[in-house]
Amino acid sequence: DTEVTQTPKHLVMGMTNKKSLKCEQHMGHRAMYWYKQKAKKPPELMFVYSYEKLSINESVPSRFSPECPNSSLLNLHLHALQPEDSALYLCASSQSPGVTEAFFGQGTRLTVV
Amino acid sequence: QQQVKQSPQSLIVQKGGISIINCAYENTAFDYFPWYQQFPGKGPALLIAIRPDVSEKKEGRFTISFNKSAKQFSLHIMDSQPGDSATYFCAASKGGGSQGNLIFGKGTKLSVKP
Repeated sequence: DTEVTQTPKHLVMGMTNKKSLKCEQHMGHRAMYWYKQKAKKPPELMFVYSYEKLSINESVPSRFSPECPNSSLLNLHLHALQPEDSALYLCASSQSPGVTEAFFGQGTRLTVV
Repeated sequence: QQQVKQSPQSLIVQKGGISIINCAYENTAFDYFPWYQQFPGKGPALLIAIRPDVSEKKEGRFTISFNKSAKQFSLHIMDSQPGDSATYFCAASKGGGSQGNLIFGKGTKLSVKP
């Protein structure tokens, strides 16, 4: 099973809303990632969680707040987003931070209005 | 500074033809080079990957060729099919205990005409 599950698949939110994106994997992977992908662009790394601890924050604005409740779950809390934050948000996981074979979820298509 | 350069940006191939996508990298510390396939509205799917200790890796119709001295690698899709129409991303990463972050190329949109 190489599945990373993301919910919801689509999300429309206003600029004053608070919402959360969820990601789950049951492969026993110890590294999890959030990426942002704009149309016709490659994925851009946002955060890396290694053994449930935040290890990389690629200078992402504080309106994005990651959380790793346990080794299988990764959340991304959203608050006071801007229309330019509209994008496909991808979760990925790999066996460990030093193992680079990463598996991506299907993504959450976020639209900020 | 773009660390992984991918070309072409778009590619049109006839059914049954060979699709070739090229990537070049700058950082000699990279030691893992995957290719991802992405269909519209879906997440990237790992297609095939190679490490610098081999010059070629083949999986079905997909082959990676790797030239360490030139710091280049390429994806060949043999007998291309309309179902292969997607965006392909090359990537590079440093493993070996580091964070293993993937550095992506800008992508190639492949269209296979029937």
